[in-house]
Amino acid sequence: ELKVEQNPLFLSMQEGKNYTIYCNYSTTSDRLYWYRQDPGKSLESLFVLLSNGAVKQEGRLMASLDTKARLSTLHITAAVHDLSATYFCAVERGFGNEKLTFGTGTRLTIIP
Amino acid sequence: KAGVTQTPRYLIKTRGQQVTLSCSPISGHRSVSWYQQTPGQGLQFLFEYFSETQRNKGNFPGRFSGRQFSNSRSEMNVSTLELGDSALYLCASSLNGVNYGYTFGSGTRLTVV
Repeated sequence: ELKVEQNPLFLSMQEGKNYTIYCNYSTTSDRLYWYRQDPGKSLESLFVLLSNGAVKQEGRLMASLDTKARLSTLHITAAVHDLSATYFCAVERGFGNEKLTFGTGTRLTIIP
Repeated sequence: KAGVTQTPRYLIKTRGQQVTLSCSPISGHRSVSWYQQTPGQGLQFLFEYFSETQRNKGNFPGRFSGRQFSNSRSEMNVSTLELGDSALYLCASSLNGVNYGYTFGSGTRLTVV
């Protein structure tokens, strides 16, 4: 059974600081996704990582994937308050599987 | 283009009742999947439909069912509601491998009292 773990579960950080969220998964997978969720809202897609060594960046967020280590990271650079949200990673196996297995989520709070 | 539309946005039901939730995918998307989100269990996969066929199912009791229509709209039904069914139900649509990624709707917040 595929298991996806994120850490930390909670993260409180000051504006301007850098930090990394980690996502580990237990078995070989084909695609890894990062989503953002604001309180009471839906999931907003951030990144899709398809292959080993993939790195994607959007603004202050950068995601990377190491399929050999079964690890993805979401790095936040010079955090700003607007980045406060819960971040989820999700893993998909196979093609046409259409099933995501989500991590536990990391609740990120940026303190001004 | 229009996103994924879920209706209703909020529902309050009584234990023992049944409920039907609706999801209209992005135009052209033929796959619709459903997820339950609770504080205790997180985001869990319920089922996925493609061309009116259920292709994948999560570990939920038979009280949870769904279907998909020829226009790709999907409904999920929960019968004999329990307090533990209170959750945010999210649906996602995708192009089924042609364009990687899932777009989620705004969700239906179900409260069972």
